[in-house]
Amino acid sequence: GESVGLHLPTLSVQEGDNSIINCAYSNSASDYFIWYKQESGKGPQFIIDIRSNMDKRQGQRVTVLLNKTVKHLSLQIAATQPGDSAVYFCAENNYGQNFVFGPGTRLSVLP
Amino acid sequence: NAGVMQNPRHLVRRRGQEARLRCSPMKGHSHVYWYRQLPEEGLKFMVYLQKENIIDESGMPKERFSAEFPKEGPSILRIQQVVRGDSAAYFCASSPLLGTGDQETQYFGPGTRLLVL
Repeated sequence: GESVGLHLPTLSVQEGDNSIINCAYSNSASDYFIWYKQESGKGPQFIIDIRSNMDKRQGQRVTVLLNKTVKHLSLQIAATQPGDSAVYFCAENNYGQNFVFGPGTRLSVLP
Repeated sequence: NAGVMQNPRHLVRRRGQEARLRCSPMKGHSHVYWYRQLPEEGLKFMVYLQKENIIDESGMPKERFSAEFPKEGPSILRIQQVVRGDSAAYFCASSPLLGTGDQETQYFGPGTRLLVL
């Protein structure tokens, strides 16, 4: 289930289930989006990106969906594994501007 | 191809001292970005530099903070007269030379964790 902690919202899923992490972005002019994974004590790691001329992009076990109408981005992780436990950030970019990061979602994978 | 390198990984300073954080971008990357992250929070943009130029420093405090990316050597984020509120993780990211009309992915270093006593 999903809960809001002191700072980061947390999503808990059973190992093997699919995970869906959501992100609402702020700028309707943003045209490039990235999902990053950050493990404890490490820097953000690029997972997948999508440009505004697409509404879906697939990688290995991950899919990003973009809904520009409601300014919503989601990251789907198939067959979630313990190694997927981390904080996930979405980042938006409007050409010529800098990336703006969302607040992050902590994914906790239960055995 | 080595990734983005940052050093030191951990830095402890007393109030009033100076902190120098270094970032070496990925090979072939000429754009460097600095971000600050507090525990349990997202990354906040500070400054964007190209070689010998500051492109955007809108996220960097006007006082005590400065950044440079010289022609030779790493990018430096410098914090003078540190205060306890400067304690945070500071991440550097790099991207390749921008093509015309296109963004490029930013790749992050492992970060420097600054603790001000």
